[in-house]
Amino acid sequence: DTAVSQTPKYLVTQMGNDKSIKCEQNLGHDTMYWYKQDSKKFLKIMFSYNNKELIINETVPNRFSPKSPDKAHLNLHINSLELGDSAVYFCASSQVWTSGREQFFGPGTRLTVL
Amino acid sequence: AQSVTQLDSHVSVSEGTPVLLRCNYSSSYSPSLFWYVQHPNKGLQLLLKYTSAATLVKGINGFEAEFKKSETSFHLTKPSAHMSDAAEYFCVVSDRNGGYNKLIFGAGTRLAVHP
Repeated sequence: DTAVSQTPKYLVTQMGNDKSIKCEQNLGHDTMYWYKQDSKKFLKIMFSYNNKELIINETVPNRFSPKSPDKAHLNLHINSLELGDSAVYFCASSQVWTSGREQFFGPGTRLTVL
Repeated sequence: AQSVTQLDSHVSVSEGTPVLLRCNYSSSYSPSLFWYVQHPNKGLQLLLKYTSAATLVKGINGFEAEFKKSETSFHLTKPSAHMSDAAEYFCVVSDRNGGYNKLIFGAGTRLAVHP
């Protein structure tokens, strides 16, 4: 069984479109995250939810809106896509929200904006 | 504030020789430290973690790392490289300060293994 899964794996779209990425974890964890990996492989946290509540919101454009319908799911919706949004987006989860805990990552979604 | 510096962007070794990937960290609190590995077009897999117990930490696939507070280092080693070890390796820090669990990633080290 896949612990943290993401769909789709690849997403190719035109500038200006709106797209969503979905994430699910079956580890029973309370906390989920979105990370962005840029073309130089640098990873940076974007958002975190704990039991459906937003707890980390880094400096991310308003076009990005996370949603967590329950603690096992965390989706990322992106409006008005721009060329600079092209990246690999990783979902992750941890048992609880407190610092110092390991996080378990999904396989990533490679977004290409043309 | 937390930060991580991976001292080498690329490391190249021959199969069967030792691997050393260097990492220095900065932390205002007692840190948790991790090494993650990313194989080409794959997700991130946890190799090992340090969370204040033993300073020498053993991980999967024969990797280990030593936490040295005096040197603020957490270097990753393996006695004998295998072709399958070729990947991107990330050193990661998270302050254990009771705040939110925000992982801070280093820039990564690409390990190449030659026959």
